[in-house]
Amino acid sequence: GENVEQHPSTLSVQEGDSAVIKCTYSDSASNYFPWYKQELGKGPQLIIDIRSNVGEKKDQRIAVTLNKTAKHFSLHITETQPEDSAVYFCAAGSGAGSYQLTFGKGTKLSVIP
Amino acid sequence: EAQVTQNPRYLITVTGKKLTVTCSQNMNHEYMSWYRQDPGLGLRQIYYSMNVEATDKGDVPEGYKVSRKEKRNFPLILESPSPNQTSLYFCASSLIGGLNTEAFFGQGTRLTVV
Repeated sequence: GENVEQHPSTLSVQEGDSAVIKCTYSDSASNYFPWYKQELGKGPQLIIDIRSNVGEKKDQRIAVTLNKTAKHFSLHITETQPEDSAVYFCAAGSGAGSYQLTFGKGTKLSVIP
Repeated sequence: EAQVTQNPRYLITVTGKKLTVTCSQNMNHEYMSWYRQDPGLGLRQIYYSMNVEATDKGDVPEGYKVSRKEKRNFPLILESPSPNQTSLYFCASSLIGGLNTEAFFGQGTRLTVV
C-alpha cells in the first residue's frame, strides 16, 4: 500500500518568515495530493490540493509543488501569521476506483509573533 | 450549511461496554470513512464506505464495525472497547466523481476507555 512520510514533525518560524513542509510517497499510482490544516479542537480542513498533471499550484500565501519523478511534494507558506499556527497533514491518493487517502504523520507549525 | 456531524464529542467508557459513535453528512456524498488520530501516528483509516451497503476495511480495522444503511449515516461501532482504542476519532465524507475530491471532516470524538 501507499506510505507517506512527512517532515519535519515540528516547525517554529518567526511571523513574516516562510515555512516549508515536505512529504514523500511510495505508490507511483498516486495522483492526488491534498494538504489539510487542523486547528486545535477541530477536524482537518482542506487548504490546497494538487493533481499529478500539475507541477505547482498557488492560492494567496500558500503554494504546493509536486515532483512526480522524485515522488515528493511540498507545502510553502509565505509571510506567516500567528493564525497559521496549526497541525498540517499531507496526504496521497490514487484516482478513480480507490478513494482512500493515506496521510502523513503531521507537522505542528508554530508561528512566533 | 455543508457539514459532517459526529456525536458524541467526548465519551468516557469502561472496557467491554459496547458503544456507537454516530456520523451524519448533509452533502449527499457517496464516500464516507472513519479515522483515528493518535499522537505521532497521524490519521489512520479504520473503515470506509463507497456507497450504501458497501463497506471495506482500512488500515486499522481490528476491534471496530461499521454499517451504511443510509447514504447520509455511517456509524462506528465498538462491540467490546479496550483501552488501546482510546483515541481521537474523525468521520469524513467526500463526493465520488472520477477523481479524488476534498474530504470533509467532522469535529472529532475523543474517546477514553478505562
